[in-house]
Amino acid sequence: ETGVTQSPTHLIKTRGQQVTLRCSSQSGHNTVSWYQQALGQGPQFIFQYYREEENGRGNFPPRFSGLQFPNYSSELNVNALELDDSALYLCASSLGTSGRGTDTQYFGPGTRLTVL
Amino acid sequence: QKEVEQNSGPLSVPEGAIASLNCTYSDRGSQSFFWYRQYSGKSPELIMFIYSNGDKEDGRFTAQLNKASQYVSLLIRDSQPSDSATYLCAVTALYSGAGSYQLTFGKGTKLSVIP
Repeated sequence: ETGVTQSPTHLIKTRGQQVTLRCSSQSGHNTVSWYQQALGQGPQFIFQYYREEENGRGNFPPRFSGLQFPNYSSELNVNALELDDSALYLCASSLGTSGRGTDTQYFGPGTRLTVL
Repeated sequence: QKEVEQNSGPLSVPEGAIASLNCTYSDRGSQSFFWYRQYSGKSPELIMFIYSNGDKEDGRFTAQLNKASQYVSLLIRDSQPSDSATYLCAVTALYSGAGSYQLTFGKGTKLSVIP
């Protein structure tokens, strides 16, 4: 158990809909990163938040957006869902001592999103 | 494009043997190197991290880093059936324009330990 929680566990949506996924960081961690993991692939970096500011973004379109709240919990929002968005979405928290993203990341259990 | 390459496997070893998992990375500026274990349907679980050249041991696990060769490996001694999982190599790389290092994963190597 890492202390990182995610909700919901599973979600089924249809193409074109919007979805919000939630993550609570491990106590004391101020940095949250989100990843998309398609079947048979490694996790792909979506973006990272450090102290409520976006601290880096991977190669994902703007319809993937996020927020980090003062208690360091976070949301991932995906608009205009496409079939290829079906994946396991992972949230990872880290201590963020450097603010540069080199700290060890601990993963939550993930949210399995299916887009029909 | 920052890349992390792993042999996808599957790698099969008998129980009690040494399993050797390998990883290469493209970004010479990478600073931190991680091995995660992922059971089917679960999220990645941190096994070890290594920052400096050489070996780092933790129980049955040894991570090896060679920055000159851009190579990271994980050795699992006395492999057990419970070690059967996908092993993900992850490397921090500088994302241009972001001013921060982010984690880049390989596709993972599937390990099967045969009783």
